Amino acid sequence: DGGITQSPKYLFRKEGQNVTLSCEQNLNHDAMYWYRQDPGQGLRLIYYSQIVNDFQKGDIAEGYSVSREKKESFPLTVTSAQKNPTAFYLCASSIERRRNQPQHFGDGTRLSIL
Amino acid sequence: GESVGLHLPTLSVQEGDNSIINCAYSNSASDYFIWYKQESGKGPQFIIDIRSNMDKRQGQRVTVLLNKTVKHLSLQIAATQPGDSAVYFCAERNPGGSQGNLIFGKGTKLSVKP
Repeated sequence: DGGITQSPKYLFRKEGQNVTLSCEQNLNHDAMYWYRQDPGQGLRLIYYSQIVNDFQKGDIAEGYSVSREKKESFPLTVTSAQKNPTAFYLCASSIERRRNQPQHFGDGTRLSIL
Repeated sequence: GESVGLHLPTLSVQEGDNSIINCAYSNSASDYFIWYKQESGKGPQFIIDIRSNMDKRQGQRVTVLLNKTVKHLSLQIAATQPGDSAVYFCAERNPGGSQGNLIFGKGTKLSVKP
């Protein structure tokens, strides 16, 4: 079954710690995205990648980093520089970024501070 | 559980009734629109999309209407069922702004009474 897998489902971060959220897709999509979702707010774009070895900052990239070494994988690292990391993180993919095609989402990772 | 529904507008309907969820989008240049459904603790699920050269599009039990004159999008759900209870939000794509990325609304929480 094709889809997007995010892991872990729940993650806890200690003060000063970097944590990495995993996102894997087997849809053969070129474009991948990371969003942050806070209660009562719309999704906000952290980073996106149009193709392997390329990625661009979104609207709220500070305190986050990504890599895109493989087409199917787009991990997100929440660094210690991100002072308010508690949120629901969603990964998405689409066939291409600029085509009018929907983005498909994983089931998210909930990150909390210990 | 997932707190994405906090502080959102809420629509409460009786099972079997039709639901209409509204969305005002921000940019007259936006050319593509999507409706998503998000259940508690899960990622957004694609429902239906529409391009700006259309006024109406129908799916299974759902219809999306686009009024470009007033920048308004609506999602109609026929014969609403308890399983339709979720947060629904729209997204728009402005090819000339926000790096061509999707812009997401905050959502409406649909509650179906049995």
